[in-house]
Amino acid sequence: QQPVQSPQAVILREGEDAVINCSSSKALYSVHWYRQKHGEAPVFLMILLKGGEQKGHDKISASFNEKKQQSSLYLTASQLSYSGTYFCGTEGQAGGTSYGKLTFGQGTILTVHP
Amino acid sequence: DTGVSQNPRHKITKRGQNVTFRCDPISEHNRLYWYRQTLGQGPEFLTYFQNEAQLEKSRLLSDRFSAERPKGSFSTLEIQRTEQGDSAMYLCASSLGWGKNTDTQYFGPGTRLTVL
Repeated sequence: QQPVQSPQAVILREGEDAVINCSSSKALYSVHWYRQKHGEAPVFLMILLKGGEQKGHDKISASFNEKKQQSSLYLTASQLSYSGTYFCGTEGQAGGTSYGKLTFGQGTILTVHP
Repeated sequence: DTGVSQNPRHKITKRGQNVTFRCDPISEHNRLYWYRQTLGQGPEFLTYFQNEAQLEKSRLLSDRFSAERPKGSFSTLEIQRTEQGDSAMYLCASSLGWGKNTDTQYFGPGTRLTVL
């Protein structure tokens, strides 16, 4: 089943913070976050594995609550380059042959204005 | 550039024609995935290869769709008797895919298919 992302769209001014949420109705093994700019390929941001570790690089970080089957992406001090559509891709419990098969949410459109 | 490459980037075809897309993964990546993305939606999984073996196919993939990955290198996705509903961006991704671990999937730029 497709994870649900919220909000559907966010508009920010440079320097403001944002949180994007991703919720699943099934148990998850991992959550993958991507950013896609119009007409371009999705670009990998980070993977979170079962265990609740918060990961991040630069001013983008994420958390994964496996009990609630939720992940959140945190963008702090946003820059113009952060604009794009953010997707979470979820992977169900490991097993069988479905390693790495991702089910993506519908996306969250982030717009950063000067 | 050593990223995932896809050809062609754009394809316009008439309904009923066959089309074939090619994906060249990152060198030494064992897993290769095909996704389809329509406007305003996230990518939808179509199929996946571990080396040359096709391990899973989505129910979205009708029998008009076929994918191959001969010798575990590049992959082709063929759509026979195209329909207007096939119009979409077809994305390819690859990952190292060692063992039974999840790992990072790197996406190619996609092939945009328009069926008239």
